[in-house]
Amino acid sequence: QKEVEQNSGPLSVPEGAIASLNCTYSDRGSQSFFWYRQYSGKSPELIMSIYSNGDKEDGRFTAQLNKASQYVSLLIRDSQPSDSATYLCAVRGSARQLTFGSGTQLTVLP
Amino acid sequence: DADVTQTPRNRITKTGKRIMLECSQTKGHDRMYWYRQDPGLGLRLIYYSFDVKDINKGEISDGYSVSRQAQAKFSLSLESAIPNQTALYFCATSDTAGGSQGDYNEQFFGPGTRLTVL
Repeated sequence: QKEVEQNSGPLSVPEGAIASLNCTYSDRGSQSFFWYRQYSGKSPELIMSIYSNGDKEDGRFTAQLNKASQYVSLLIRDSQPSDSATYLCAVRGSARQLTFGSGTQLTVLP
Repeated sequence: DADVTQTPRNRITKTGKRIMLECSQTKGHDRMYWYRQDPGLGLRLIYYSFDVKDINKGEISDGYSVSRQAQAKFSLSLESAIPNQTALYFCATSDTAGGSQGDYNEQFFGPGTRLTVL
């Protein structure tokens, strides 16, 4: 079992819709959770971090964390074509290093 | 602007050659990392350094070595390159800032080096 799992996609949503990206992790000692956005050929860019159970909102982005279920998600409201990218879930586990999922490719259709 | 830079940005080399990838940062961060990215595999940690005298192996260190020349510089070497080391390589940095949540470990990435080994 991979330590951090994401649906690879591709995920396609129409412009203006909500995109929902999911991530599960295996290390129950994990403390910090991050979502990175990566455009093709570019470096990953941090867009959200979450440390406590519940929701965290930042503009059109909402991160949701459920440690009991070992699940973290990212919602993108009012999706725009510029949101088309690969989204990487990263988890800081008990080993204190970031482990990345393989990413979900999102396409927002105009 | 505080930044993370990598050189070269692209490199094509032959099997058996020694290659060095360099990373510099002006963020003032203590921690530096080297990752490789392969299609469908996400980012995998090669080596990381918490300060100049603290260097640690990551998930996939075989075939690689590193040098932390200064707080701001962290180099990755492939002593004898092989074709399956063809990948996109990223350097990243993070601070040790704590607060109530402790070490956040938010990482900031350089632009990447695309390495091709023929």
